Amino acid sequence: GESVGLHLPTLSVQEGDNSIINCAYSNSASDYFIWYKQESGKGPQFIIDIRSNMDKRQGQRVTVLLNKTVKHLSLQIAATQPGDSAVYFCAENGGSARQLTFGSGTQLTVLP
Amino acid sequence: DTAVSQTPKYLVTQMGNDKSIKCEQNLGHDTMYWYKQDSKKFLKIMFSYNNKELIINETVPNRFSPKSPDKAHLNLHINSLELGDSAVYFCASSPSNREQPQHFGDGTRLSIL
Repeated sequence: GESVGLHLPTLSVQEGDNSIINCAYSNSASDYFIWYKQESGKGPQFIIDIRSNMDKRQGQRVTVLLNKTVKHLSLQIAATQPGDSAVYFCAENGGSARQLTFGSGTQLTVLP
Repeated sequence: DTAVSQTPKYLVTQMGNDKSIKCEQNLGHDTMYWYKQDSKKFLKIMFSYNNKELIINETVPNRFSPKSPDKAHLNLHINSLELGDSAVYFCASSPSNREQPQHFGDGTRLSIL
């Protein structure tokens, strides 16, 4: 079946550096992608989304890039802060009823 | 204040028991969901309801039965609990349009003894 996957299960960055979290998807019919942040003991929290008619979308300190040719999605976090430490999930609407299918998550750790 | 709220936050019970988890959203959304997150953090959809009607029912044992008394509530009842049911269960909601972010509750950690 179709799946969403992440290249790196863990990522450690120095405080103040930029972070890049990658995601590969395989369902070419997916046209909506979303990034979530999940802190310990909390539910996933929406960060940013992008539709397939766009290649890039920016938010506050975050940028999502979509490369439909290679089915790749990335989340860039500028000037990473300790509060950014969390598990980050990408998701696509590639389910049978176009529901969200989540990737396996990347644990981001920000080092002091 | 809380947009999507679930109760209880923690649930510890013995194998074979029946338990329920409640979810309420005050966002005015039409669609609600239940997800299961395993120990490896993998999130998988279980059910989706749109305006009280079931629209997604993934491969879930029929021991799990969702109930939506109104569009602001989606409860999950689990019969004959098994060890493998231990997980964190998340409720979420979204506007009726699928291409919209889902808002999640903080989860119910279910532990089966």
